[in-house]
Amino acid sequence: EAGVVQSPRYKIIEKKQPVAFWCNPISGHNTLYWYLQNLGQGPELLIRYENEEAVDDSQLPKDRFSAERLKGVDSTLKIQPAELGDSAVYLCASSTGLAGGYTGELFFGEGSRLTVL
Amino acid sequence: LAKTTQPISMDSYEGQEVNITCSHNNIATNDYITWYQQFPSQGPRFIIQGYKTKVTNEVASLFIPADRKSSTLSLPRVSLSDTAVYYCLVGDKGYSTLTFGKGTMLLVSP
Repeated sequence: EAGVVQSPRYKIIEKKQPVAFWCNPISGHNTLYWYLQNLGQGPELLIRYENEEAVDDSQLPKDRFSAERLKGVDSTLKIQPAELGDSAVYLCASSTGLAGGYTGELFFGEGSRLTVL
Repeated sequence: LAKTTQPISMDSYEGQEVNITCSHNNIATNDYITWYQQFPSQGPRFIIQGYKTKVTNEVASLFIPADRKSSTLSLPRVSLSDTAVYYCLVGDKGYSTLTFGKGTMLLVSP
């Protein structure tokens, strides 16, 4: 079975440019997460979806970040405009969620590494 | 959310048993303890989860004392490929807003 798929793996842009990351979760996983990971730090939750509803977006910087999960499957995370400090790895994860006999295990993708010049 | 404290780094040699301890003094009744492993350029990977006493799987063991204020991840006979960052997380399994700390960087040498 395919794991969580993210694209692109790497992205280099200049500041003030927009960028988007795409995530395809494991089939049947209702819960989807976007995390940000800075170098040498643990992942930090940006937003959590239960199906198509964003149930926790308290840590998402809404002035420049946006996310969507249309139809409750794939998700896109967008940054516009990007700033130098946004250089990081953006991780997507999924889980079965409350309705699916949730075991507490998150399945992560390989991440999208963003470099803002 | 309960805060966790774990060593920043640990060193070991191949074949040794490694024990990484995590402190979580403010753990709540509904909280579970979960450990993840992360290799460079990869996302974290679930290792083990427990609520109390001892849990063992094919990869590791998790020891949790009765007061649940700490937990120990035990990796038997480590190899070079176990070099990674290990995260201890505490949270309500039902709501999964798990908070990652900085983790423990384990370096296994020949």
